[in-house]
Amino acid sequence: EDKVVQSPLSLVVHEGDTVTLNCSYEVTNFRSLLWYKQEKKAPTFLFMLTSSGIEKKSGRLSSILDKKELFSILNITATQTGDSAVYLCAGSRDDKIIFGKGTRLHILP
Amino acid sequence: DTGVSQDPRHKITKRGQNVTFRCDPISEHNRLYWYRQTLGQGPEFLTYFQNEAQLEKSRLLSDRFSAERPKGSFSTLEIQRTEQGDSAMYLCASSWLADTQYFGPGTRLTVL
Repeated sequence: EDKVVQSPLSLVVHEGDTVTLNCSYEVTNFRSLLWYKQEKKAPTFLFMLTSSGIEKKSGRLSSILDKKELFSILNITATQTGDSAVYLCAGSRDDKIIFGKGTRLHILP
Repeated sequence: DTGVSQDPRHKITKRGQNVTFRCDPISEHNRLYWYRQTLGQGPEFLTYFQNEAQLEKSRLLSDRFSAERPKGSFSTLEIQRTEQGDSAMYLCASSWLADTQYFGPGTRLTVL
């Protein structure tokens, strides 16, 4: 059965710290790895990763995929209180997305 | 606003009642998905449509649940004889084929 496992499930850091969120996946007919941010509402899209080893960056956020190890990480540098949210990792197939449980990140001022 | 919209945003109902939710996808998207999310969990896939055809249904979708997309545009999700375990956030997303899915704001259902 397809599954996506995220770690840690919860993380509390101080503003300015750098965090790394982990995601491992087992998805048949895997198409891409997705990261979403969720703040008390619907998930908002962050990254789509399809190729191994190619880092995607958006401001202070970056992500990379390892298709051999079936693993992805999401890095957030110089964290801000506005980064507090649940970060969802998902593996996509042609027909659907399989989500992990998310990492709840809390940034202390 | 050209994003995915859902209505209502919140619904409180008594056990045993029927409820219906609506989702309007991004207009140029041909796929529409329904997910359910409970506290502390990621969204769980329920079903999806490509145009008006319902192509897959999760085994989570019991026979009390039915979804339609009659003209390939908006979709409705109906839950009959609601149970307390149906309380959750119901999310709709749309995409062009298997490209990135964009989510609506969700409908939060509370069954008393």
